[in-house]
Amino acid sequence: GQQVMQIPQYQHVQEGEDFTTYCNSSTTLSNIQWYKQRPGGHPVFLIQLVKSGEVKKQKRLTFQFGEAKKNSSLHITATQTTDVGTYFCAGPVQGAQKLVFGQGTRLTINP
Amino acid sequence: KAGVTQTPRYLIKTRGQQVTLSCSPISGHRSVSWYQQTPGQGLQFLFEYFSETQRNKGNFPGRFSGRQFSNSRSEMNVSTLELGDSALYLCASSGGGDEKLFFGSGTQLSVL
Repeated sequence: GQQVMQIPQYQHVQEGEDFTTYCNSSTTLSNIQWYKQRPGGHPVFLIQLVKSGEVKKQKRLTFQFGEAKKNSSLHITATQTTDVGTYFCAGPVQGAQKLVFGQGTRLTINP
Repeated sequence: KAGVTQTPRYLIKTRGQQVTLSCSPISGHRSVSWYQQTPGQGLQFLFEYFSETQRNKGNFPGRFSGRQFSNSRSEMNVSTLELGDSALYLCASSGGGDEKLFFGSGTQLSVL
């Protein structure tokens, strides 16, 4: 079945350093979504990318959707302690009403 | 607007028992999805309901079942609990033609 792979699984950075997580799908996606889950919390929707090659920014976060619509990335510039959490990408399964989630990248930050 | 509400927040059961978890979606949302989250397996899709109909089911044994009521509230049931069923069970709703999911706080199930 459709798979969404995410790397790295863990990332530890010093506060102020940049962070990037990558997402790859085994199939072409109609869109890709990103979620953030704080420790002890639940996933919260961040953004949805729809167009091939799309780039969207939210303050220090930059999201990209690949030209082939099979990969995506999330880049955080100058991390802050509030960025701690697990970042998930998710893509819809074609012909089915469900999202497949990547394994997530857990970000920890040394203040 | 109230968010997605899941009850109970925590649950402790023993092997062989059964459990029912409840989810109230955001008002107006007709789609409710359930996910199982474990440290090793991430977020695994259980099933999705829309207007009281199960539209999709994940790769879980028949011990996992669910239903949706006419007011869009949903329940999931796990029978004959096993130790491996210990997990955070998350419910998410969506609506208005939007695919993004709004998650509840989850039910943390521990099977002893």
